[in-house]
Amino acid sequence: GIQVEQSPPDLILQEGANSTLRCNFSDSVNNLQWFHQNPWGQLINLFYIPSGTKQNGRLSATTVATERYSLLYISSSQTTDSGVYFCAVEDSNYQLIWGAGTKLIIKP
Amino acid sequence: NAGVTQTPKFQVLKTGQSMTLQCAQDMNHEYMSWYRQDPGMGLRLIHYSVGAGITDQGEVPNGYNVSRSTTEDFPLRLLSAAPSQTSVYFCASSYSGFTEAFFGQGTRLTVV
Repeated sequence: GIQVEQSPPDLILQEGANSTLRCNFSDSVNNLQWFHQNPWGQLINLFYIPSGTKQNGRLSATTVATERYSLLYISSSQTTDSGVYFCAVEDSNYQLIWGAGTKLIIKP
Repeated sequence: NAGVTQTPKFQVLKTGQSMTLQCAQDMNHEYMSWYRQDPGMGLRLIHYSVGAGITDQGEVPNGYNVSRSTTEDFPLRLLSAAPSQTSVYFCASSYSGFTEAFFGQGTRLTVV
């Protein structure tokens, strides 16, 4: 099956810093989503991005489907950005395959 | 819109007990699914449904049953709870298999 690898596994930054999170996947996928899991465990949709680039405020994402990777950019980090960021891809059987996540800690 | 609603939010079971986790969505989505999340890991698919009356197994289906009698509801049944089923369970829905998925708030289940 499809393998999804996220890097780095952990990231600690000072408030105001920028960061790039990466998601690599091993095969063609039907779609790709980025999620933020906050410290209370809630999963929040960030981007639905099977290809191309999208921006939402301080966050943006780019997926290059032909090269099988996606990047999530966070600019001017805030403490509320802390949590775990997941990449999930959908295979040909409609199943979402999840990476292990990047744990982000933003220090004030 | 309420989106995807899961109940209960927390549950403690004794080994061998059975229970049903409820999931309802009000977005008229055809596709619904159940995941479990263990500490430090991403989500793993338990069961999914592509429409009323149609269900299928995911990656980790053993010990769980589902049914889909209506578009709105997709309950997950634990037949005989085991400590290995201690986890956080998420229900998700999407308009179709190839569209954005929305998640409920999760159910934290502990089996003692």
